[in-house]
Amino acid sequence: SQTIHQWPATLVQPVGSPLSLECTVEGTSNPNLYWYRQAAGRGLQLLFYSVGIGQISSEVPQNLSASRPQDRQFILSSKKLLLSDSGFYLCAFSSGGYNEQFFGPGTRLTVL
Amino acid sequence: QKEVEQDPGPLSVPEGAIVSLNCTYSNSAFQYFMWYRQYSRKGPELLMYTYSSGNKEDGRFTAQVDKSSKYISLFIRDSQPSDSATYLCAMNRDDKIIFGKGTRLHILP
Repeated sequence: SQTIHQWPATLVQPVGSPLSLECTVEGTSNPNLYWYRQAAGRGLQLLFYSVGIGQISSEVPQNLSASRPQDRQFILSSKKLLLSDSGFYLCAFSSGGYNEQFFGPGTRLTVL
Repeated sequence: QKEVEQDPGPLSVPEGAIVSLNCTYSNSAFQYFMWYRQYSRKGPELLMYTYSSGNKEDGRFTAQVDKSSKYISLFIRDSQPSDSATYLCAMNRDDKIIFGKGTRLHILP
C-alpha cells in the first residue's frame, strides 16, 4: 500500500535559524510530490511541486526552497527562517489516476 | 473571481441531521472533483472523488457535481460527532489541484 511520512511532527525554531523538513513516500514509483503550507483562514497554499528527481517548480517566491534528491524523497528547506514562515506544512503525493493527492500528517512549525 | 469558493463556516448541526457542504467554481476546464476531510492538527484525507456530473454515494456520504452550474456538494447523512472536522473541496487543473479554503463542521451531540 502507498504511504507517506513526514517529520518532525512539531518544530519550534528561532528566527534566522535553518530549516529542513523531510517527506518520504512508500509503495509507488515516480510520484508527483507537493509541499503546501496551511495557515489559519487561508487554506492550502501550494509552495513547490516536483514531477521527477531534481525537477522542482516553485509556486510562490519566498524564503523557502525544495529539493528532490531521490524518487520518493522531498525536502523543504530554508537558510534563515522568518516569523512569517510559521504554519502547518504538508507534503502530498499523487500517482497516476486522476491526480488525486494524498497527504502526510504534517509538520507544525513555530518560528519565535 | 476566485477559482474555487467555499463558505468557511463554522457550520453547527445536531447529531443525526443531514449535512450539506458546497463549493462553486469558475473554471469550466476542471474535470475531476474531490472532497477531503481534515481533523484538527492532521493532514487532509481523501474522502470522495468523482469526474462526472451526477451523484456518487459511499456509505453515509454522497458527492454531487453539477457542471452546468459549476457547483459541487457533499451530503452527510445521519451525521455523527466524529464527522466534526474541516471539509475541503478540490478540483484538478493541469497537474495541480485547486483547493477550497474548507468549511468547519461541528456535529452537536
